[in-house]
Amino acid sequence: DAGVTQSPTHLIKTRGQQVTLRCSPKSGHDTVSWYQQALGQGPQFIFQYYEEEERQRGNFPDRFSGHQFPNYSSELNVNALLLGDSALYLCASSLRRTSSNQPQHFGDGTRLSIL
Amino acid sequence: GDSVTQMEGPVTLSEEAFLTINCTYTATGYPSLFWYVQYPGEGLQLLLKATKADDKGSNKGFEATYRKETTSFHLEKGSVQVSDSAVYFCALKVGNNDMRFGAGTRLTVKP
Repeated sequence: DAGVTQSPTHLIKTRGQQVTLRCSPKSGHDTVSWYQQALGQGPQFIFQYYEEEERQRGNFPDRFSGHQFPNYSSELNVNALLLGDSALYLCASSLRRTSSNQPQHFGDGTRLSIL
Repeated sequence: GDSVTQMEGPVTLSEEAFLTINCTYTATGYPSLFWYVQYPGEGLQLLLKATKADDKGSNKGFEATYRKETTSFHLEKGSVQVSDSAVYFCALKVGNNDMRFGAGTRLTVKP
């Protein structure tokens, strides 16, 4: 039973570029959430996708956008990259109808470095 | 808003020592509480959870009790091992809202 998988593992970009990160949820899950974890800090919620729509959003600028596909996989896009976007980006999945007050399952993350 | 405050680290212990990492929370609803662990270069792994007041979550020798009266969910282990060295995150979730995490506590266990 595959867990949450993310790609790529590591990525190096320069300021002003654009990046796309990918996530496949745990088998049977239909909801995907994205988090940003800066070095030495806890994860911060970016947004959540369910039924191919953004359902919740944290305090992140419009440069951060996403998409969910019919197979429940998801992409996170970041435009006009800033040095401060350097972080570990975590994807988490859950099954919406049973996920109330239940934990999310996390992938190993994509380490994004901005030069 | 909903938030979690956890003990700042780093914490350094000798093998077989007793561990406590404090966690307190603020929530507008009725949260579930979690402890996650993160090993170097990896994502977050669920360590234990508690979904209502007075529940005790436990796993791999770690325990935490949901204390509504003190809004706390402290993590404890009676005898730590070198392999327990990691970063520990306290988190809460209300319904289908996003998870809110503490800043993390780095634990180093020395032989």
